[in-house]
Formats: sequence, C-alpha cells, structure tokens
Amino acid sequence: KQEVTQIPAALSVPEGENLVLNCSFTDSAIYNLQWFRQDPGKGLTSLLLIQSSQREQTSGRLNASLDKSSGRSTLYIAASQPGDSATYLCAVRDRNYGQNFVFGPGTRLSVLP
Amino acid sequence: NAGVTQTPKFRILKIGQSMTLQCTQDMNHNYMYWYRQDPGMGLKLIYYSVGAGITDKGEVPNGYNVSRSTTEDFPLRLELAAPSQTSVYFCASIDSPVREEQFFGPGTRLTVL
Repeated sequence: KQEVTQIPAALSVPEGENLVLNCSFTDSAIYNLQWFRQDPGKGLTSLLLIQSSQREQTSGRLNASLDKSSGRSTLYIAASQPGDSATYLCAVRDRNYGQNFVFGPGTRLSVLP
Repeated sequence: NAGVTQTPKFRILKIGQSMTLQCTQDMNHNYMYWYRQDPGMGLKLIYYSVGAGITDKGEVPNGYNVSRSTTEDFPLRLELAAPSQTSVYFCASIDSPVREEQFFGPGTRLTVL
C-alpha cells in the first residue's frame, strides 16, 4: 500500500532564506505528484503538478523535482517571505490504487520577518 | 467562476443525527472527490465520482453515502453521526483525467458530540 511521508513536520526559517521541503513515497508506480499549500482553516491550493514522465516543474519562486526511482520529491522555495507561511502537502496518484490520491501529512512552514 | 464551493462551513451534530454536506463546482469537471482531514494526518478519500450517475468507494467510506445526479453537484450524506466522524471535509474536482490537477473547496468543519 502506498504511503507518503513528509519531513520535517514543522520548519521555521528567517525571511529571505532558500528552503527545501521533502516528500517521500513508498511505491514508484505513480501517475503524478502534486504539491499543495494549505492556509489555516482553508482548503488546499494547487502549487505544482509533476507528471510521472517529468523531472521538475517551476512556478515563480517555487521549483518541484521528482525522482521516481528513489521515491522522492522536493519543493524548493527561493527567497522565502512571511506570506509563504502555511502547511505544504504533497500527494501522489498511485497506479495501483484506482482513483485514490495518497496524501502526506504536510510540513508546517513559518517564515519569520 | 466560483470553482468548488462547499456548504455549510461549520456544523455541530449530536450523535445519531444525519446531515448532508453540499459540494458544487462550476468548471464542468467530471471527476469529483470527497476527503476527510484529521489533525496531523493527510487527507483520506471517502468517495469519488467519475461522472453523473457513477460513484465509487474510496479508502474510508463507512458511515457515508454519496450521489451524483448532475455534473455540478456531489453531496455527501452522513447517516447516524458518530464522534469518529468529527473532521474537516473537503470536496475536490480534477480538470481532466489526463492531467489530473486537483481543485479543492474551502472545507466543512464538522463536530459530532
């Protein structure tokens, strides 16, 4: 059964730092991997979607990479800002699990001014 | 274009009561999902639908029912509410079965006492 983990569970950095969030999955048979942002009390907002045939995707200050063979994805945030403070979740679409997207528990990021 | 909308935002139920969580999307998406999110956990899939008249169980369907009579609406029904159903419920849809980018509603916070 596919399992998704995210380390660290929480991260606090000063404004301006570049940072990396990690996502690991146990089964490399995936269709895609998606990174989301969740603000307190809100729904999830899609940040980046990487198809299984791709190695990375970029949007503004965000860059997500995918290494299926090692079961890892990283989300790189450049020049962090206080407005980046949120919980970041990753999810994989498992080839062996029908329509189920398997989510990680998230990393809670605080960017301090 | 409102995207995915959910009502109500908050609800308190007594044990044994029933209720329906509403979800509507105006993006003409065929695929829709219901998730629950418990504190510190990833989202878990309850039910999903690949089009009007077609629904299927996800990972945690017990205690819930769904229907899909139109493309726009995908209500989730709780029968005989139990404290274990205290959670935040999210509805989502995807743009196409090829790309699979997920769009989420703002969530319904449900407490069963």
